[in-house]
Amino acid sequence: AQRVTQPEKLLSVFKGAPVELKCNYSYSGSPELFWYVQYSRQRLQLLLRHISRESIKGFTADLNKGETSFHLKKPFAQEEDSAMYYCALDGQGFSFIFGKGTRLLVKP
Amino acid sequence: EAQVTQNPRYLITVTGKKLTVTCSQNMNHEYMSWYRQDPGLGLRQIYYSMNVEVTDKGDVPEGYKVSRKEKRNFPLILESPSPNQTSLYFCASSFRDRGREQYFGPGTRLTVT
Repeated sequence: AQRVTQPEKLLSVFKGAPVELKCNYSYSGSPELFWYVQYSRQRLQLLLRHISRESIKGFTADLNKGETSFHLKKPFAQEEDSAMYYCALDGQGFSFIFGKGTRLLVKP
Repeated sequence: EAQVTQNPRYLITVTGKKLTVTCSQNMNHEYMSWYRQDPGLGLRQIYYSMNVEVTDKGDVPEGYKVSRKEKRNFPLILESPSPNQTSLYFCASSFRDRGREQYFGPGTRLTVT
């Protein structure tokens, strides 16, 4: 079965603190994983993807196949990072699986 | 401007009254998809299309229909809407390669009374 799990519904941190948004997946095969972000009143947009190995807005994510995880990290949170974050998996066939999302709240 | 558009953006309707939500993209993408977003459930895929005349079910297809007669359009049809289809709907498009970025529409908020 293919599945994406985000265990935290809400993550609240203070500005300048490190952030880690957790994502675990279940997939038989070589996974392609993504993080999408939805800022208030805006449409979903891609933050980063495993295949590109990039850092966007200070965020990074490393695929750990042993732990089946793709956690999103940022060393110093900013208030403008407050948003809804979704981990997603490019699934079998052409399906696409999203996690339930984690709301990140960065307090001043 | 490259974009995905959806219409209408807001819709209130009654149980059983057929409705269509349109989705259009101008990026020549082969892949298009519909999702519903519900509190606590995240985004769930309803249907997707790999190309013209090729569609497949996602995780929650019951009560929905789609068609893909043209590459740029992918309408979502609710033949007999019910209150449990009250939700926020997103259309998305992308190229077909694995690891592709999906581009999302602005969303359609549907309320079925």
